[in-house]
Amino acid sequence: KNEVEQSPQNLTAQEGEFITINCSYSVGISALHWLQQHPGGGIVSLFMLSSGKKKHGRLIATINIQEKHSSLHITASHPRDSAVYICALIQGAQKLVFGQGTRLTINP
Amino acid sequence: GAVVSQHPSWVICKSGTSVKIECRSLDFQATTMFWYRQFPKQSLMLMATSNEGSKATYEQGVEKDKFLINHASLTLSTLTVTSAHPEDSSFYICSATNRDRTWQPQHFGDGTRLSIL
Repeated sequence: KNEVEQSPQNLTAQEGEFITINCSYSVGISALHWLQQHPGGGIVSLFMLSSGKKKHGRLIATINIQEKHSSLHITASHPRDSAVYICALIQGAQKLVFGQGTRLTINP
Repeated sequence: GAVVSQHPSWVICKSGTSVKIECRSLDFQATTMFWYRQFPKQSLMLMATSNEGSKATYEQGVEKDKFLINHASLTLSTLTVTSAHPEDSSFYICSATNRDRTWQPQHFGDGTRLSIL
């Protein structure tokens, strides 16, 4: 079993829909990244969180350390949100353990 | 925000050539840089961790003589793919962080797409 599991693997939605991507993990962590990878390959860190909830614009990330679960939400989704979203666990020495990613496509 | 610059973004070269990829942190001291490889539609695979001023730590299965990593300053790490062959064609991406600022997220370069003919 992978240390980190993301769901769904692929998600297609219409513009304006509320999007949720889930990340479950089985190991102890110090924090967790949500990353966005665009078609060109570049990666942007959207959030780094170790507890509770963070919000940035239309993006919201939550984490429940006891349940070993995190979610990324996108409100009022837009075609420019189309990308691969990756959950990455932060373990010792800042090494990241990556989920397989969720490929999100938002249709106009 | 912090920026990591990776260069080149795209390279095509002949088999047997050595290719150097640079990863620079532009506005912070990167004590630690990570090098990743990514195959199409797959997740990132950590190749090695490089700490400024010391030898890189390679992940199991990564040939250190094939993928030479140098991290000589707090703003620059390089990955050299020596005597590249078609099977080395891949997307390579670096990330940088400061081990004294663990509350800050890692910052990624834009990646290098390497094609070996």
